[in-house]
Amino acid sequence: RKEVEQDPGPFNVPEGATVAFNCTYSNSASQSFFWYRQDCRKEPKLLMSVYSSGNEDGRFTAQLNRASQYISLLIRDSKLSDSATYLCVVNVGSARQLTFGSGTQLTVLP
Amino acid sequence: EAGVAQSPRYKIIEKRQSVAFWCNPISGHATLYWYQQILGQGPKLLIQFQNNGVVDDSQLPKDRFSAERLKGVDSTLKIQPAKLEDSAVYLCASSYLAGPGTDTQYFGPGTRLTVL
Repeated sequence: RKEVEQDPGPFNVPEGATVAFNCTYSNSASQSFFWYRQDCRKEPKLLMSVYSSGNEDGRFTAQLNRASQYISLLIRDSKLSDSATYLCVVNVGSARQLTFGSGTQLTVLP
Repeated sequence: EAGVAQSPRYKIIEKRQSVAFWCNPISGHATLYWYQQILGQGPKLLIQFQNNGVVDDSQLPKDRFSAERLKGVDSTLKIQPAKLEDSAVYLCASSYLAGPGTDTQYFGPGTRLTVL
């Protein structure tokens, strides 16, 4: 079983749509959770951290369910510029190491 | 603030040849990481340095890969000899803090390696 699993997509949605990505992780000792964004042929960049209480940043909402070992990302009112691969990322232990999922590809269509 | 610098950006070699990648992290960042990203997959950690010491190299194929971070700043990653399956993007990242916990990792643009 992979440590971090994501639906690979691709998700093709029209502008203005709401889209949700899901992610599960296998290690119950995981401590920190993130969503990174990676544009085509570019490096990953931190989109947002994910907190147990849930957190929102503009059109983006992240949720964490520790009991189910499940993380989600909701994008409202999708823009063309949201087209990218979204990577679910988990930190286990104290060594500052990140484990990445394989990513979910999103294309927002005009 | 300057970001993480990597060179070269692209490299094409034949199998069994050697190749080296260079990374200059963000100034003042204590921790440096090398990742391998194969097409369609997420980045996989190869090695982590804290200052000039190795924190974790458990996923580094040590029979062919080596890395160093002299003086706790720049780092080089070498592959000798390369195999076809080494074709990937090699990403360098750095983060400010050292020790336990997590802080943001900043990635360089990567080196895209093609092994023929």
